[in-house]
Amino acid sequence: EADIYQTPRYLVIGTGKKITLECSQTMGHDKMYWYQQDPGMELHLIHYSYGVNSTEKGDLSSESTVSRIRTEHFPLTLESARPSHTSQYLCASSQDPGTGHGYTFGSGTRLTVV
Amino acid sequence: GEDVEQSLFLSVREGDSSVINCTYTDSSSTYLYWYKQEPGAGLQLLTYIFSNMDMKQDQRLTVLLNKKDKHLSLRIADTQTGDSAIYFCAERAAGNKLTFGGGTRVLVKP
Repeated sequence: EADIYQTPRYLVIGTGKKITLECSQTMGHDKMYWYQQDPGMELHLIHYSYGVNSTEKGDLSSESTVSRIRTEHFPLTLESARPSHTSQYLCASSQDPGTGHGYTFGSGTRLTVV
Repeated sequence: GEDVEQSLFLSVREGDSSVINCTYTDSSSTYLYWYKQEPGAGLQLLTYIFSNMDMKQDQRLTVLLNKKDKHLSLRIADTQTGDSAIYFCAERAAGNKLTFGGGTRVLVKP
């Protein structure tokens, strides 16, 4: 079944560790996105990609980096995690414009940095 | 720039209708969306409306769009406890990026 997967669902790590949050989709979507979600609900776009080897920073400045080597895979990396990185991270993908389909979201990764 | 606003919270009794409101600023919006987020989960697309429509009904959900006032609403008929969640409206304007509102937390009381 076509879907979008995020791993891990939950992660608790110590300050200074390097981590990679995984996001994969099986729908063949060119466009993928990473959002950081506050405890207060608001979504902040931190990275997006419109295709292989294309990545852009989003509206919210983030110390994380992303890569897009394969269409289906859009990992997010924090080189040195800090408590301020504690948040929910949501990955999404979308088809081309011109259709009614919006974004398809993964289930999210809840990151806690201690 | 694009801006999407929603009220923060809505409380409703089980069986009543819920109405969640949203305003947006970009007049070039092509599609507008409603997403639902349950605790600990990602966002799930509920419904969407094309900008040349003013109403769309899908089972218990009714979307109303007032393009002149840039106002979007989602009505949930016969609200159930399973409808308790956070609801996000979003607009798609130029390009493919969606702009999301801040979310409305809906609490359904038995």
